[in-house]
Amino acid sequence: IAGITQAPTSQILAAGRRMTLRCTQDMRHNAMYWYRQDLGLGLRLIHYSNTAGTTGKGEVPDGYSVSRANTDDFPLTLASAVPSQTSVYFCASSAGRNQPQHFGDGTRLSIL
Amino acid sequence: SQQGEEDPQALSIQEGENATMNCSYKTSINNLQWYRQNSGRGLVHLILIRSNEREKHSGRLRVTLDTSKKSSSLLITASRAADTASYFCATDGGSARQLTFGSGTQLTVLP
Repeated sequence: IAGITQAPTSQILAAGRRMTLRCTQDMRHNAMYWYRQDLGLGLRLIHYSNTAGTTGKGEVPDGYSVSRANTDDFPLTLASAVPSQTSVYFCASSAGRNQPQHFGDGTRLSIL
Repeated sequence: SQQGEEDPQALSIQEGENATMNCSYKTSINNLQWYRQNSGRGLVHLILIRSNEREKHSGRLRVTLDTSKKSSSLLITASRAADTASYFCATDGGSARQLTFGSGTQLTVLP
């Protein structure tokens, strides 16, 4: 089934460790996004990429980095995890302007 | 900061009743989208309404948009227990194809 695949589905991580969340799509969408979802705050955009080779900062980019080496993959890296980064992380993709976003099922990350 | 704000935050109704959720936003938009999220899952797109449209239907869903009031509503008719989920509005107002999400309405449909 076509869609977004995120890995891992959940992770417990010690503070200070480096972590990369993986996201792969098979829909050949140009745009990809990373959000974090915290209780009562809805989804907040971390980083986005409008096309392979380009990335941009969202609302809450600090402490995170992304890369977009090809169309299908959009990994999110926490260089040195902190407890405030405990959240559920969602990756999404979109075919373009005025098109819906398609979401993965998320990575539940706990930083201790 | 949240662009869209949903109202109410939580809604509980009986199966067969209609459910109405509202969304208000602050700045001009290109389109407004509604998404649904079941517990423990990702968001699923329901409907997109462009800024020059006033009403849109999809099955049991009806969305309205009033750009003069910067508000939208989502109506689910003849609700079912399976409609129990969180519903989010999201606005597309910039050139970077980014969406800004509200904090959601938790809908519970009682059998």
